[in-house]
Amino acid sequence: QVQLVQSGAEVKKPGASVKVSCKASGYTFTSYDINWVRQATGQGLEWMGWMNPNSGNTGYAQKFQGRVTMTRNTSISTAYMELSSLRSEDTAVYYCARDAVEMATIEYYFDYWGQGTLVTVSS
Amino acid sequence: SSELTQDPAVSVALGQTVRITCQGDSLRSYYASWYQQKPGQAPVLVIYGKNNRPSGIPDRFSGSSSGNTASLTITGAQAEDEADYYCNSRDSSGKLYVVFGGGTKLTVL
Repeated sequence: QVQLVQSGAEVKKPGASVKVSCKASGYTFTSYDINWVRQATGQGLEWMGWMNPNSGNTGYAQKFQGRVTMTRNTSISTAYMELSSLRSEDTAVYYCARDAVEMATIEYYFDYWGQGTLVTVSS
Repeated sequence: SSELTQDPAVSVALGQTVRITCQGDSLRSYYASWYQQKPGQAPVLVIYGKNNRPSGIPDRFSGSSSGNTASLTITGAQAEDEADYYCNSRDSSGKLYVVFGGGTKLTVL
């Protein structure tokens, strides 16, 4: 069965960086893009960007350009999201999600999600 | 970039039908997908594409779309359907970018 398992909670100081991992299993890792979505406490879902595990190509939401880097290690089927220059507003649960695409019917959706990783930014 | 607009809160009596809507220009080009999120849990896909349900999602959930509005309908709402619901779609600027609605809190009375 498809699973996305994320790394554990992190506590970071303002100005530091955090790197969250997302290990995929149950499917061919390089066949589906991985997206990252975050959610601050009591707030909605916020899309951060995508990464193609096959090519390594990425696309980031304008809000995070220059601060986020998405990478992967295909040998261990793991995607990574690194966010730098952390500030208190970055305190949130970060999710990875598999991007399913049905080209024939132009359908795009996130069919599997990781369990989430809480990142707390505090001095 | 595009925006998707959802009503912040909706309520429904147990066993009745409720419609949750999502509006945005990107929906003229791309289907919405819908996610259910319960407290402390990751989102779960409930509807995608024209009107498709993943395996395990009850058939009381259905989706539709017209113009710039997508709708999620729950026919015969159950207590366990109380949750936050989010729509998303590709951004109208291109299929590589994604936008989420602000979410709708569904209360089952």
